[in-house]
Amino acid sequence: DTGVSQDPRHKITKRGQNVTFRCDPISEHNRLYWYRQTLGQGPEFLTYFQNEAQLEKSRLLSDRFSAERPKGSFSTLEIQRTEQGDSAMYLCASSFRLAYEYQETQYFGPGTRLLVL
Amino acid sequence: RKEVEQDPGPFNVPEGATVAFNCTYSNSASQSFFWYRQDCRKEPKLLMSVYSSGNEDGRFTAQLNRASQYISLLIRDSKLSDSATYLCVVGTTDSWGKLQFGAGTQVVVTP
Repeated sequence: DTGVSQDPRHKITKRGQNVTFRCDPISEHNRLYWYRQTLGQGPEFLTYFQNEAQLEKSRLLSDRFSAERPKGSFSTLEIQRTEQGDSAMYLCASSFRLAYEYQETQYFGPGTRLLVL
Repeated sequence: RKEVEQDPGPFNVPEGATVAFNCTYSNSASQSFFWYRQDCRKEPKLLMSVYSSGNEDGRFTAQLNRASQYISLLIRDSKLSDSATYLCVVGTTDSWGKLQFGAGTQVVVTP
């Protein structure tokens, strides 16, 4: 399978616990994005990486959220001290884009569905 | 005001009929436009990019109106398998690839 993969697919946790999600992008893709989607809404941008550099973070990404892409390949998204409002689908997407291009296609992984009790 | 707005629907469409719906975007710096399809509890999948001159992919036709800042999608000869939520997606040159998603338009094709 050469698509974007995410692990785990489902996570149930208690409020206050820390959780970590992993995303493996399509291998030749240099960009990796994290989105959050709640019921009835479209995905909301959280952050993105170009290779290993984290280039932009949304205001939605509070200090409890941290993302890494240490070697420019897979990425992790950690949520510390989870709250019930963090319950959502966390989607990862990847793309290949050169600096001078503005058009790119993002390919999404299957998502990690988080439920905070 | 949301940056990308869509009619949530649902649009109930008899099989074989044509359905069309729009989305509007607020950022005039938007440069890239897409329609993604999302099935229930699945990830979004690219349906088609939208180009300035409009484009067609089989039964799907997308149009872009920059002056009025809206994008449309038309589905001809609807199939049961077209039932899904269609997400309007916009990217801007000033956002380094960040995409803005609408909340989606639900289409239900009925036999």
